[in-house]
Amino acid sequence: AQTVTQSQPEMSVQEAETVTLSCTYDTSESDYYLFWYKQPPSRQMILVIRQEAYKQQNATENRFSVNFQKAAKSFSLKISDSQLGDAAMYFCAYRSEFNSNYQLIWGAGTKLIIKP
Amino acid sequence: DVKVTQSSRYLVKRTGEKVFLECVQDMDHENMFWYRQDPGLGLRLIYFSYDVKMKEKGDIPEGYSVSREKKERFSLILESASTNQTSMYLCASSQLNQPQHFGDGTRLSIL
Repeated sequence: AQTVTQSQPEMSVQEAETVTLSCTYDTSESDYYLFWYKQPPSRQMILVIRQEAYKQQNATENRFSVNFQKAAKSFSLKISDSQLGDAAMYFCAYRSEFNSNYQLIWGAGTKLIIKP
Repeated sequence: DVKVTQSSRYLVKRTGEKVFLECVQDMDHENMFWYRQDPGLGLRLIYFSYDVKMKEKGDIPEGYSVSREKKERFSLILESASTNQTSMYLCASSQLNQPQHFGDGTRLSIL
C-alpha cells in the first residue's frame, strides 16, 4: 500500500523569505499523481500544485514550485517570497493512475507559520 | 468556480443519535468523497461515490453509511453516533480523474 510522509509537523519562515516543505512517499507504481493542498484557518482545502509522475519537468504555479525526485520518491514544495496569506496547513497527497476510485493518500500535514 | 457546500460548519450531537451530514456540488461532477480529518493523521477516506446510487468503501467505513440519490448531493450518515466520531468531516467532488474540490468542512462534536 502507498504511504505519504510529511516529517515536519510545523515550519516557520520570515515574511518575504523562501521556505521548503518536505514530502516523501512510498509506492511500487510508476504512474501516479502528486499534489500539494493548502488548508487555511477558513478550513477549505485548496489545491496548490500538482505533478504527473511521467513528467520530468517540475511543476510551478507563480510563487509555488516543486522539486520532484522520482527515484528518491521525494516531492517537496518551495514557497518563494512568503506572504502572510500563505499561513496554513499544507498537505501532500498521492493518487495512483490505476486506482478506479481516484482515492488520494494523504500525509499528516505541515503547519506553516509566517512571521511578519 | 466549483462550489462544494456542506450544510453545517459546526454540529453538536449526542451519543446514539442518527446524524446526517449533507454535501452539495454545483459542477455536475461524477465523483464525490467523504473524508475524516484528525490532527496528525491527515485525511482518511470514509466513502466514495462515482455515480448516483453507486458507492465504494474507503479506508474507515465502519460506523458510517452514505446516500447518493441525486448526482449533486452526497450524504454521510452516522447510524448511531459515538464519541470517537468527533472529528472534522470534509466533502469533496471531482470530474473523473481531475483534482478534487473541497467544501469548508463540518466540525462534528459527539457528547
